[in-house]
Amino acid sequence: SQQGEEDPQALSIQEGENATMNCSYKTSINNLQWYRQNSGRGLVHLILIRSNEREKHSGRLRVTLDTSKKSSSLLITASRAADTASYFCATVPGTYKYIFGTGTRLKVLA
Amino acid sequence: GAVVSQHPSRVICKSGTSVKIECRSLDFQATTMFWYRQFPKKSLMLMATSNEGSKATYEQGVEKDKFLINHASLTLSTLTVTSAHPEDSSFYICSAQLGGQGNQPQHFGDGTRLSIL
Repeated sequence: SQQGEEDPQALSIQEGENATMNCSYKTSINNLQWYRQNSGRGLVHLILIRSNEREKHSGRLRVTLDTSKKSSSLLITASRAADTASYFCATVPGTYKYIFGTGTRLKVLA
Repeated sequence: GAVVSQHPSRVICKSGTSVKIECRSLDFQATTMFWYRQFPKKSLMLMATSNEGSKATYEQGVEKDKFLINHASLTLSTLTVTSAHPEDSSFYICSAQLGGQGNQPQHFGDGTRLSIL
């Protein structure tokens, strides 16, 4: 079963605004990753944060991880229309198997 | 780097047909590949883990005889949907991982949209 629950399920914002999406999980993890999926395409890896890290940045992306609350957030700053996609968190509770969250569908309006 | 090619991108066929989907790692060797199924506006559901040179590991509820997986080389895994029926219509995505460890990102193919009439 999917252990990652993402919130919100859908998000619609104006270009230039920030977008925040959250992921909660149930078991302990080695790392948590965020992926992006454009409609009808495969997933693209965005960022990986290890269980001993609390925050990580990559360009306009900022990811936080709170292992005590079993949650992570992805912040996209200064959003663009091209950021429109579905975003998934993936947890790795064991050694190799990934469990993907339910996803957040982001729509950025120009 | 780390490109995964999945082919075909779309298949439309009649009920009862068997369909083969290929997943290739183009510029790296993948000892482990994963096959997922995705329903519209839903998350990815792991179907099986494909290990080079050995039998695939299937997730609970996934029929081994229905979804045949072969990982004959370090760069190719195939998923064959045997005797496909309309309920098998879905978006199938493969991924490959460097080193086969969970501390590395997965690299995904672009998916195959399977439509069974």
